[in-house]
Amino acid sequence: GAVVSQHPSWVICKSGTSVKIECRSLDFQATTMFWYRQFPKQSLMLMATSNEGSKATYEQGVEKDKFLINHASLTLSTLTVTSAHPEDSSFYICSARDEVAGRHEETQYFGPGTRLLVL
Amino acid sequence: QKEVEQDPGPLSVPEGAIVSLNCTYSNSAFQYFMWYRQYSRKGPELLMYTYSSGNKEDGRFTAQVDKSSKYISLFIRDSQPSDSATYLCAMSAGSYQLIWGAGTKLIIKP
Repeated sequence: GAVVSQHPSWVICKSGTSVKIECRSLDFQATTMFWYRQFPKQSLMLMATSNEGSKATYEQGVEKDKFLINHASLTLSTLTVTSAHPEDSSFYICSARDEVAGRHEETQYFGPGTRLLVL
Repeated sequence: QKEVEQDPGPLSVPEGAIVSLNCTYSNSAFQYFMWYRQYSRKGPELLMYTYSSGNKEDGRFTAQVDKSSKYISLFIRDSQPSDSATYLCAMSAGSYQLIWGAGTKLIIKP
């Protein structure tokens, strides 16, 4: 149980284009999903908290208009990197809380990540 | 000072050895403690979850939390080359936001 998928697993795009990354909880419902960014040999950096049916909460320093988040259902959140530039190249990882399970209230289950390369 | 401190390593040990990974923290409000394993170019995988102080064992893995010292540990017995990965500690005060350590890169030599 508690499987989270991400699509695509990797993407290469030209500078100036927009890229959409999907995060799905496959066998549980997730009111809350999280989006992280990870640079090589560094830890996870929380970008935003995605809440189903409401606006996302962004961390300080993360541009809301640059990284658009939509959490339209209990099993799907999307991150759109708008007008991507080479400095946006990174490993993007989503996670979800399995709230129905209850026992692991504070744990997050992670997707496999999406590697973005902007040329 | 970071809220969570974790030695980035790398930590290199021979196969079969007992591995000890540690994190220290400064926020006494943390109640939930987790260890994640991350292979290269993959998302983190939850290994152990502990609430408050104490020990928890799962197979070859043992997690310890000492809240009085603000210190948590993950022990791996009979280490295998497949255990080679980056191990991240994470903790929370109950606000759903996880505070992460930097991760320790572990290398198990055959």
